[in-house]
Amino acid sequence: AQTVTQSQPEMSVQEAETVTLSCTYDTSESDYYLFWYKQPPSRQMILVIRQEAYKQQNATENRFSVNFQKAAKSFSLKISDSQLGDAAMYFCAYRSPLNGGSQGNLIFGKGTKLSVKP
Amino acid sequence: DGGITQSPKYLFRKEGQNVTLSCEQNLNHDAMYWYRQDPGQGLRLIYYSQIVNDFQKGDIAEGYSVSREKKESFPLTVTSAQKNPTAFYLCASTRTGWTEAFFGQGTRLTVV
Repeated sequence: AQTVTQSQPEMSVQEAETVTLSCTYDTSESDYYLFWYKQPPSRQMILVIRQEAYKQQNATENRFSVNFQKAAKSFSLKISDSQLGDAAMYFCAYRSPLNGGSQGNLIFGKGTKLSVKP
Repeated sequence: DGGITQSPKYLFRKEGQNVTLSCEQNLNHDAMYWYRQDPGQGLRLIYYSQIVNDFQKGDIAEGYSVSREKKESFPLTVTSAQKNPTAFYLCASTRTGWTEAFFGQGTRLTVV
């Protein structure tokens, strides 16, 4: 079974600085998706960024980028120029390919709580 | 606007009572999911449904039941058999071949 591990329960960053959140996963599949979701105090889950495993290029969305290391099964999230609104829980998630009987369900890590200091 | 609506936002239940959480989507998505979130536990899958009138157990289905009579609706019943029901519950939906899951705003269930 696939697992997702986030080893940093809490992180802190100074406003305008850069922070990296770590995520590792375990799978025997070769084609899958990885996601970072943000959950602010409102508790609404918001998609931050996604990465297709077959793409070697790291995904980027404005101030958010990932470092996807497929061989190492690592998927870290870098937040540049941190803003107060970035303070939230961040969840790493894995989705299996939609074939071979797999339902493509999301498997989540336990989350990293990010604080941003003014 | 399209989206997922969960109701109520807060729910209180007495021990021994069943309670039903509502989840409705107008995104025309085929699949719907229920997750439970506890502090320090991330999100854990309770039930999911790929098509109407069909659903499967997730990792923590014991003490829960669901139905999928309409494409738009996927209600979750927390039964008295659920030993520790106090939690935050999130509903999600996805379209066929999905690359993004859409979430509702959640229901906070408290047993009193």
